[in-house]
Amino acid sequence: GENVEQHPSTLSVQEGDSAVIKCTYSDSASNYFPWYKQELGKGPQLIIDIRSNVGEKKDQRIAVTLNKTAKHFSLHITETQPEDSAVYFCAASDGGGADGLTFGKGTHLIIQP
Amino acid sequence: KAGVTQTPRYLIKTRGQQVTLSCSPISGHRSVSWYQQTPGQGLQFLFEYFSETQRNKGNFPGRFSGRQFSNSRSEMNVSTLELGDSALYLCASSLVGTAYGYTFGSGTRLTVV
Repeated sequence: GENVEQHPSTLSVQEGDSAVIKCTYSDSASNYFPWYKQELGKGPQLIIDIRSNVGEKKDQRIAVTLNKTAKHFSLHITETQPEDSAVYFCAASDGGGADGLTFGKGTHLIIQP
Repeated sequence: KAGVTQTPRYLIKTRGQQVTLSCSPISGHRSVSWYQQTPGQGLQFLFEYFSETQRNKGNFPGRFSGRQFSNSRSEMNVSTLELGDSALYLCASSLVGTAYGYTFGSGTRLTVV
């Protein structure tokens, strides 16, 4: 089955700086790679996703890049703000819902004022 | 538009008891997936229901079961509770039963004592 590794487990950055979180996956059949943000007491919220026919996708301060050959994808957050503090999860799937998403273990992002 | 609703939010049960958790998906969504979230194992796929049929199940013992009703609402049941079942149980709904664009509920926090 699929295995997703996520690094780092904790990331502390100064407000206004950029943050990068990296994930690798094992199953070459995976073609859908979402990123979720989870705040305390809430469920994960989808913030951006990418499919394997695209190399990069941006949405305002957030971007995701995908390298299919190396089987890794990354989340980039620019101009970080205090409200970006949360736990971020990457995930991978073959796109079908029956097998669900395989998640990384999460990155606790801390924005220092 | 109402989101995914999970009830109850918190539960405390004793070892050996059973528990039923409920999930109401976004109106019109036909797929409901369940995940277990623990600090040690992270987010793990339990099972997925689409149009009242369980399509797949993750690597969990038979004590974990679920069902989906004709209105797409879903329940999951855990029998003979063990201390290790303490976790946040999340459900996610999607429109047509793929992993694209899951919307998660806030979860049910189950504590087994």
